[in-house]
Amino acid sequence: QAGLTQPPSVSKGLRQTATLTCTGNSNNVGNQGAAWLQQHQGHPPKLLSYRNNNRPSGISERFSASRSGNTASLTITGLQPEDEADYYCSAWDSSLSAWVFGGGTKLTVL
Amino acid sequence: EVQLVESGGGLVKPGGSLRLSCAASGFTFSSYSMNWVRQAPGKGLEWVSSISSSSSYIYYADSVKGRFTISRDNAKNSLYLQMNSLRAEDTAVYYCARALSTIHGMDVWGQGTTVTVSS
Repeated sequence: QAGLTQPPSVSKGLRQTATLTCTGNSNNVGNQGAAWLQQHQGHPPKLLSYRNNNRPSGISERFSASRSGNTASLTITGLQPEDEADYYCSAWDSSLSAWVFGGGTKLTVL
Repeated sequence: EVQLVESGGGLVKPGGSLRLSCAASGFTFSSYSMNWVRQAPGKGLEWVSSISSSSSYIYYADSVKGRFTISRDNAKNSLYLQMNSLRAEDTAVYYCARALSTIHGMDVWGQGTTVTVSS
């Protein structure tokens, strides 16, 4: 099953803003939107947002998501050292009847 | 506290079988679809299988279709994954995760259980 496309790595400075992207197609991201997950080394993933910009309870407002066509974006403002992690996008693909994930973006906070 | 706890992982020879379990607590298990997602060492997340709240809909990734079987017991608040004909490439940490719907994403994840397929 084809996955979503994410850049392998992004590096930004402390207190800067990082924008991560996730590209799919009209059957997944363009249809139901994307969810974003954060994963620290050795820990399970944590949901940051779903259907483009709905944040679960307890997720900082520094994390905001959006979508334009078949591309979803996650913007993290005021970068902190604890934001250094792997970020994955996911979406349900209505054509494949399958969840698809991006390959993940490793965010480094300099 | 909302919690998912996986168990059943271990070392198995190629061609062997394992049954993973996921115990849910702190929420109405029967209201959620459930999923298995795996992560090979040093790799990204890979969806494995999903089952709807009443088991009416079941889906598998092509990589496991015909070898893995997902099931659930709502009376026991438990999710299962029967894995047969295991291959080296099935080696991974297996997570169970809940999803209210395909729109809501997977919002609660377990800590994972490790499956190693090696001779």
